[in-house]
Amino acid sequence: GENVEQHPSTLSVQEGDSAVIKCTYSDSASNYFPWYKQELGKRPQLIIDIRSNVGEKKDQRIAVTLNKTAKHFSLHITETQPEDSAVYFCAASRGNDMRFGAGTRLTVKP
Amino acid sequence: NAGVMQNPRHLVRRRGQEARLRCSPMKGHSHVYWYRQLPEEGLKFMVYLQKENIIDESGMPKERFSAEFPKEGPSILRIQQVVRGDSAAYFCASSERTQQVSSYNEQFFGPGTRLTVL
Repeated sequence: GENVEQHPSTLSVQEGDSAVIKCTYSDSASNYFPWYKQELGKRPQLIIDIRSNVGEKKDQRIAVTLNKTAKHFSLHITETQPEDSAVYFCAASRGNDMRFGAGTRLTVKP
Repeated sequence: NAGVMQNPRHLVRRRGQEARLRCSPMKGHSHVYWYRQLPEEGLKFMVYLQKENIIDESGMPKERFSAEFPKEGPSILRIQQVVRGDSAAYFCASSERTQQVSSYNEQFFGPGTRLTVL
């Protein structure tokens, strides 16, 4: 089955700096790669996703890149703000079968 | 659209009791997934169900845990004879039916049930 690894497990940045979170996956047939943000005590919520036929996608301050050959994808957050502090999860899926990375706890210091 | 609903939101059980967690998927969704999240940890896949079928239960502990998604009503995650190590947040997610493996479907999460075993 699919195995997703995520790094780093914790990340601390100054407000205004950029943050990058990286994930690798094992199943070359995976074709959908969502990123979820989970604030303390709340449910995970989708913030951006990328399909396997696209190499990069951007939505305001967040962007995701996908390298299918190397089987890795990354989340980039620019101009970080304190409200970006949360746990971020990457995932990889094929059809309805989705697996999550272990999560990255991002702290943005004001 | 009310979104994915889970109840109860908080559940306290004593060791040896049974815990029943319920999940109602979003309207039109026929796939349900259960995840367990231990404090300060990630989302661990437990089971994936369609109506009246268990598709993948590779993440379910072999004993004490069971799940169902009947033709009518919510999906149920059942934990028998709970132990302290079962204390966690249990999240349910739902998605639409995918026609092909080459398609992809976003999963929408419920608010979770926080189980505390005393």
